[in-house]
Amino acid sequence: GAGVSQTPSNKVTEKGKYVELRCDPISGHTALYWYRQSLGQGPEFLIYFQGTGAADDSGLPNDRFFAVRPEGSVSTLKIQRTERGDSAVYLCASSLSGEETQYFGPGTRLLVL
Amino acid sequence: SQQGEEDPQALSIQEGENATMNCSYKTSINNLQWYRQNSGRGLVHLILIRSNEREKHSGRLRVTLDTSKKSSSLLITASRAADTASYFCATHSGGSNYKLTFGKGTLLTVNP
Repeated sequence: GAGVSQTPSNKVTEKGKYVELRCDPISGHTALYWYRQSLGQGPEFLIYFQGTGAADDSGLPNDRFFAVRPEGSVSTLKIQRTERGDSAVYLCASSLSGEETQYFGPGTRLLVL
Repeated sequence: SQQGEEDPQALSIQEGENATMNCSYKTSINNLQWYRQNSGRGLVHLILIRSNEREKHSGRLRVTLDTSKKSSSLLITASRAADTASYFCATHSGGSNYKLTFGKGTLLTVNP
């Protein structure tokens, strides 16, 4: 079956703008995760959804970042008033409920000018 | 914050040689996983070893875990040019079975 997909692949925006990044998890996976990866670093956890609810959003850096998963499938990561420091690859992953192995999407490379 | 530290940061070998990468971590873990990443994009899950296991094999991959030293190693035997990628260790820790904490990775280059 299809893996995790993310759109767009690349996003270039200007400082201060609003962006939305989309994630389509593997069908049937109830758990969904967002990570952020800066150049030369490993991914860092942002938020975890179990179904429609955010079970852990402790990794979101500040209140400019918000994520939703209204129907328990597709998720959108929203960043308000983008800053140059937000430039990174944003990775989405999904897993079966309670399963430890996470399956990652190809990521969205965000560049804030 | 980063939990693990991979060593070396970069490794360059010839095709056919073995590649060994190490990972150290700081807190107690439930399990440790290794992922591969090509060209800075999506990660591919390679192998998971639980805290009560010492060694695990999958094809050309061999992973060891030493919880007393808080370290793990990934061995890739008979490397191929297609193995060129960044390799990350990741842990579930602190009672969490969902939040993965990654190291900084080892960049492996396999020269044909």
